[in-house]
Amino acid sequence: DAKTTQPNSMESNEEEPVHLPCNHSTISGTDYIHWYRQLPSQGPEYVIHGLTSNVNNRMASLAIAEDRKSSTLILHRATLRDAAVYYCILRDRSLLFTGKLIFGQGTTLQVKP
Amino acid sequence: DTAVSQTPKYLVTQMGNDKSIKCEQNLGHDTMYWYKQDSKKFLKIMFSYNNKELIINETVPNRFSPKSPDKAHLNLHINSLELGDSAVYFCASSQMTSGRIDTGELFFGEGSRLTVL
Repeated sequence: DAKTTQPNSMESNEEEPVHLPCNHSTISGTDYIHWYRQLPSQGPEYVIHGLTSNVNNRMASLAIAEDRKSSTLILHRATLRDAAVYYCILRDRSLLFTGKLIFGQGTTLQVKP
Repeated sequence: DTAVSQTPKYLVTQMGNDKSIKCEQNLGHDTMYWYKQDSKKFLKIMFSYNNKELIINETVPNRFSPKSPDKAHLNLHINSLELGDSAVYFCASSQMTSGRIDTGELFFGEGSRLTVL
């Protein structure tokens, strides 16, 4: 599986937008970009995913670079509850249903009141 | 209603003992998993079961034996516990045959923290 690179940590103020970057320069054409997050003392939870086009859902937006070598998870208004470790994961389309997620170290997001 | 539930949430035991962690999902999914999160917080898949059949075994020691009595349950039994087995174990589930082919979203339980003394 292709590798992703994320900053170790980021800080944000409450109610401000947060942009979490992810580099995946070795992404292949069949790799989907998935984001999960892990709140303290919880299991990971799915946030969003995309292939080529930008995506929006109730939790966040995903902006994908035109060459697909990087992506950005956007939280439009951070709340204290968004403090978590955010993982950017590449999943090959052909292996989607194996359920194998390869987690990196992720980005620890701190949200200040 | 808890979608993926694990018991126990905490487990403290001595080296050499045998212990089990149970997992149940009420989402109607056909695939279940065990992931391990070590002390450095790295999450790694251990096993994957689809319709009670093992489909992924990520070079986990034989002391770990998953058992899936039915699609809704995947238990993890660990023999001869070692200090290095101390970790948080997460159960997860997904629907492999979903019409949403590009999702494959996994739903995780809250984890079971195992401490081996």
